[in-house]
Amino acid sequence: SSELTQDPAVSVALGQTVRITCQGDGLRSYYASWYQQKPGQAPLLVLYAENSRPSGIPDRFSGSNSGNTASLTITGAQAEDEADYYCQSRDISGNHVVFGGGTKLTVL
Amino acid sequence: QLQLRESGPGLVKPSETLSLSCTLSGGSITSTPFYWGWIRQPPGKGLEWIGTVHYTGRTYKNASLKSRVTISVDTSKNQFSLKLSSVTAADTALYYCATQNFDTAPRFDPWGQGTLVTVSS
Repeated sequence: SSELTQDPAVSVALGQTVRITCQGDGLRSYYASWYQQKPGQAPLLVLYAENSRPSGIPDRFSGSNSGNTASLTITGAQAEDEADYYCQSRDISGNHVVFGGGTKLTVL
Repeated sequence: QLQLRESGPGLVKPSETLSLSCTLSGGSITSTPFYWGWIRQPPGKGLEWIGTVHYTGRTYKNASLKSRVTISVDTSKNQFSLKLSSVTAADTALYYCATQNFDTAPRFDPWGQGTLVTVSS
């Protein structure tokens, strides 16, 4: 399959830890990247490779990979983390890019 | 710092061709290891990869759009472009261009601000 599957919605209490997952066959060969998108804004890369953060991304964002599943973990979620999160990778052929359907994170 | 900006008509008639350009500033389109990508997002929906181009002209395209998509590079203008033919209302979306790494950790960063294209008569 060339798809990436995400849960449509996840919620977390302020200050708690939340994990957002992404499943797909391509993840056995390629890392997932993760994007945060707030309303009216372009997606922002927050994590890539095994567990690398672009400059300016808080260290409460971390990642892990196991088999065909990649995870984005937010440790101590803040109100400003409420957003849509998308995973992205390459498909199993390696020639195409695929995005997950997105997870809407609500911080309670 | 690399910045990208999309430009093009905001309104396209059904059956016509959507044409967008992405202009880079703060860097060169011939820089390695970068590729250059187009992504779109229909209103209220998720992200869809359209295609990717290297400055050498090599392209990769979403199989579902491949027959209608042309992506090209103009190194003299530090710009790359998207053409999507035979558009319908389903092609109404925010269109983003982005810098892409196409290695084992494929990623888009940074992104342009996006441009809304509406397909309507």
